[in-house]
Amino acid sequence: EVQLVESGGGLVQPGGSLRLSCAASGFTFSNYWMTWVRQAPGKGLEWVASIKQDGSDRKYVDSVRGRFTISRDNAKNSLYLQMNSLRVEDTAVYYCGRSVKSAYDIWGQGTMVIVSS
Amino acid sequence: DIVMTQSPLSLPVTPGEPASISCRSSQSLLKSDGYNYLDWYLQKPGQSPQLLIYLGSDRASGVPDRFSGSGSGTDFTLKISRVEAEDVGVYYCMQALLSPITFGQGTRLEIK
Repeated sequence: EVQLVESGGGLVQPGGSLRLSCAASGFTFSNYWMTWVRQAPGKGLEWVASIKQDGSDRKYVDSVRGRFTISRDNAKNSLYLQMNSLRVEDTAVYYCGRSVKSAYDIWGQGTMVIVSS
Repeated sequence: DIVMTQSPLSLPVTPGEPASISCRSSQSLLKSDGYNYLDWYLQKPGQSPQLLIYLGSDRASGVPDRFSGSGSGTDFTLKISRVEAEDVGVYYCMQALLSPITFGQGTRLEIK
């Protein structure tokens, strides 16, 4: 079964750090761009970052550039999001997604990040 | 950034009736390869988003044929030929032409 499972969310104080993970299974992970999308409570979807198959190209939304780092380990079939200098406005459910022909065809169940003092 | 604007934002529909959602982009999503880089997603209550339509009009695997996507350039439409109870949720359009990828505000479909 093709599957993505996120983990690593939790409660963190403003200015703190968190590392999200996304474990992929059921497909050849190294063949796909991968993406993080987030959704603040009661709000819409916001693209956060994407990474190319070999990690050579990474893209970020302006609001997280310089604070978040997307990475991957193809040997471990895993995607990561290192989040530093967290702000209250980063509070959201974070989803990882597989990119195919410009679309995100597989999504994980999401992991909640709460930034609060 | 490309701004995506959906309408309506709320859509009450009687089961069995058709429904239509509009999505407009602030610049053309038609790439030189001939494809429109516009996707549609449905987020059912309490669930992750799911892909319905990609490249403007291609139905994703497993998506019922009552869902269809059309349009080109800056104007796109998602149509549901006969709404069923399981279609309830929030529908999002998304442009994948240029970074940053951007989503519409979402359209909440509810059953009358």
